Amino acid sequence: EDKVVQSPLSLVVHEGDTVTLNCSYEVTNFRSLLWYKQEKKAPTFLFMLTSSGIEKKSGRLSSILDKKELSSILNITATQTGDSAIYLCAVVYNFNKFYFGSGTKLNVKP
Amino acid sequence: DAGVIQSPRHEVTEMGQEVTLRCKPISGHNSLFWYRQTMMRGLELLIYFNNNVPIDDSGMPEDRFSAKMPNASFSTLKIQPSEPRDSAVYFCASTTTSLLTETQYFGPGTRLLVL
Repeated sequence: EDKVVQSPLSLVVHEGDTVTLNCSYEVTNFRSLLWYKQEKKAPTFLFMLTSSGIEKKSGRLSSILDKKELSSILNITATQTGDSAIYLCAVVYNFNKFYFGSGTKLNVKP
Repeated sequence: DAGVIQSPRHEVTEMGQEVTLRCKPISGHNSLFWYRQTMMRGLELLIYFNNNVPIDDSGMPEDRFSAKMPNASFSTLKIQPSEPRDSAVYFCASTTTSLLTETQYFGPGTRLLVL
């Protein structure tokens, strides 16, 4: 069965720490992987990754895809309390299938 | 732009009642997605439309759920009859193309509680 697994399920860090969130997938006909951030309301888009080994970067956040390992990581450096959220990974596969992982809940303490 | 608009924002109903959730996508977007989010199952894609046509409804849990998009600016998700296990947050999202890889803009969600 196709699936997307995120780890860890939850994480507590202090401001200034660096965190790495993982997303692994096992799907047929992989097309792309997307990262979203969900605070109290709706998810907001962060990155879309289609090519292996190419890092996407936005400020303190960066992400990279490893198609060989069927996984992606999301890095957040110098974390701030505003980074506290659920980070969701989603995979597009089989042309029109879209599956979200269960998310990683990040709590950044002051 | 007002973004994706959903109504109602909150809905409390009794088991067996019909529930209708509404969504207005961003003007100019031609793909619309309905999601359901629960603690147990996370975020699930229920159905998506492209140019008002349903493309994939394999995520719709059962026949009690139906979705329509009569025109480019309006969609409904209906549950009839509703059950307590339908309690969840229902999100609508839209995007400019038919590609699932494009950035999807989510609405604020409808929090549904079925008693």
